[in-house]
Amino acid sequence: GAVVSQHPSWVICKSGTSVKIECRSLDFQATTMFWYRQFPKQSLMLMATSNEGSKATYEQGVEKDKFLINHASLTLSTLTVTSAHPEDSSFYICSALEMGRGSEQYFGPGTRLTVT
Amino acid sequence: AQTVTQSQPEMSVQEAETVTLSCTYDTSESNYYLFWYKQPPSRQMILVIRQEAYKQQNATENRFSVNFQKAAKSFSLKISDSQLGDTAMYFCFLGDDKIIFGKGTRLHILP
Repeated sequence: GAVVSQHPSWVICKSGTSVKIECRSLDFQATTMFWYRQFPKQSLMLMATSNEGSKATYEQGVEKDKFLINHASLTLSTLTVTSAHPEDSSFYICSALEMGRGSEQYFGPGTRLTVT
Repeated sequence: AQTVTQSQPEMSVQEAETVTLSCTYDTSESNYYLFWYKQPPSRQMILVIRQEAYKQQNATENRFSVNFQKAAKSFSLKISDSQLGDTAMYFCFLGDDKIIFGKGTRLHILP
């Protein structure tokens, strides 16, 4: 149980376009989802916390207009990278908290974004 | 402010040896959780072990155990009989009213 999926697993897009990444909790309801960014061989960077039905809370330094987060249901959160640029190329990971199960995160497999 | 510090950016040990990864943290909360996650080359984050702060007994999961020192705010991970498959990045997470984590320790198990 407690599986989180991400789609797509890998995406290439042209500079200036937008790309949407989906994060789904497959067998549980997630009131809170997190979005992370990771550069090669680097630590994780928490980008934002997404709560179902409310606006996401962004970490300092993360542009909310650049990285749009929507948590429309208890099983789906989306991250849209708008007007992508090569410096947005990275590995994006989502995680989810199961309702009533404390702060153990279930992580998705990640999405590799390459902006050309 | 809540913080998590992993003081060892990188470590290497021989297969079958025991290795300890350190993690210290700071929080003003009395009720919280601590976690160790590993991220192997596949980049999938995997939960290794969890510890509830109110439990005095150290958590154990097969070859993985923790040394939880609440007063010292220390939460180290011990890997016994290390295996090649333990090669990964290890992250220490603190969960209270926020999610805070360390910068990670890259562990290499050498054949």
